[in-house]
Amino acid sequence: EAQVTQNPRYLITVTGKKLTVTCSQNMNHEYMSWYRQDPGLGLRQIYYSMNVEVTDKGDVPEGYKVSRKEKRNFPLILESPSPNQTSLYFCASSSRTSGSVNTGELFFGEGSRLTVL
Amino acid sequence: GENVEQHPSTLSVQEGDSAVIKCTYSDSASNYFPWYKQELGKGPQLIIDIRSNVGEKKDQRIAVTLNKTAKHFSLHITETQPEDSAVYFCAASNPKGFKTIFGAGTRLFVKA
Repeated sequence: EAQVTQNPRYLITVTGKKLTVTCSQNMNHEYMSWYRQDPGLGLRQIYYSMNVEVTDKGDVPEGYKVSRKEKRNFPLILESPSPNQTSLYFCASSSRTSGSVNTGELFFGEGSRLTVL
Repeated sequence: GENVEQHPSTLSVQEGDSAVIKCTYSDSASNYFPWYKQELGKGPQLIIDIRSNVGEKKDQRIAVTLNKTAKHFSLHITETQPEDSAVYFCAASNPKGFKTIFGAGTRLFVKA
């Protein structure tokens, strides 16, 4: 079954304690992206990756890091989480390529709800 | 910067009625406009999309219209059913970049 898998689905942590949210897709997609969803703000892009070792900032990258060492995995790293990073996070992948960079369906994971105390 | 405004934020309709959600985008270079449906506890899922060379697209009970001059696009759901209850997001993206800008979402309630 084609899917995007995120872990953990739920996490409560404390300020400053480094954490990683993993994301894996089995569709051989080149494009992967992270979004955060907050009430009244919709989905805002944090980082995206067009391919292995190619990543770039989205609209709200502050406080986050990503890496893309393998095509299927795109972890989101919070080096020193703060309460304003409490949010619902979604990873997505797409078959969009450098030839059609902005079109193509985004396949989303089921979300990771993070609470930073 | 680029922006997508979506209205209304909440919409309640009776089963069988139609629902309309409207979005306005700011970047005139945008050429791809997808709509996503998010059910409770799930990630968003694409339900329909439209490209800027098309004015309208239909898929069974859902349709999307695009007015490029006004930078405005809308989602129309006819004969609504309780399973249509969800949060709907519009989005826009342009060919110069890799971003998809989402609206704030509309929570649709369909009352049986």
